[in-house]
Amino acid sequence: GAGVSQSPSNKVTEKGKDVELRCDPISGHTALYWYRQRLGQGLEFLIYFQGNSAPDKSGLPSDRFSAERTGESVSTLTIQRTQQEDSAVYLCASSLNPTRETQYFGPGTRLLVL
Amino acid sequence: GENVEQHPSTLSVQEGDSAVIKCTYSDSASNYFPWYKQELGKRPQLIIDIRSNVGEKKDQRIAVTLNKTAKHFSLHITETQPEDSAVYFCAAPSIQGAQKLVFGQGTRLTINP
Repeated sequence: GAGVSQSPSNKVTEKGKDVELRCDPISGHTALYWYRQRLGQGLEFLIYFQGNSAPDKSGLPSDRFSAERTGESVSTLTIQRTQQEDSAVYLCASSLNPTRETQYFGPGTRLLVL
Repeated sequence: GENVEQHPSTLSVQEGDSAVIKCTYSDSASNYFPWYKQELGKRPQLIIDIRSNVGEKKDQRIAVTLNKTAKHFSLHITETQPEDSAVYFCAAPSIQGAQKLVFGQGTRLTINP
């Protein structure tokens, strides 16, 4: 079946604007994750969904970041009042089970805040 | 576990030689250890994983070993080829609190022809 998809693939925005990033997980995957990856850096955990609830929001950098998931499917990550330091690739991943199964990553959204 | 340490951060080997990357974890209850490969500009992809009921797993030139007593696991790549050049990430489950995988910091592997 189809893998994890994300949109847009690239987003350029001006400082102070809000952006929404979308993730479509693999059908049937109950766990969904958002990560941030700055250039040349590792995977920074942002938030994790089990179904539609978010048991772990500990990685969200500030209250400008929020995420939701509906229908145990699509998730959106919203960044309000973007700052230049938000520039990064935002990766989404999904898995059947949070700790015992492979996480499949989407292609990412490359965000550039000018 | 909640803390996963990965070493080295960079590794350069001659084509044909072996490469070894090591990770340590802190949660003794962790039971699943995947390795991901991320090529430049691409998404991370699983290359091999191991569960806590075995000590070693092989897939062609790639192997992973697990030492539960010492709480570390390693990725071994033999007969390295230029296409093995990438960043490699290990991960282990965080059992405490909400369940998720915790990733290591990554190892940039360069294969020199």
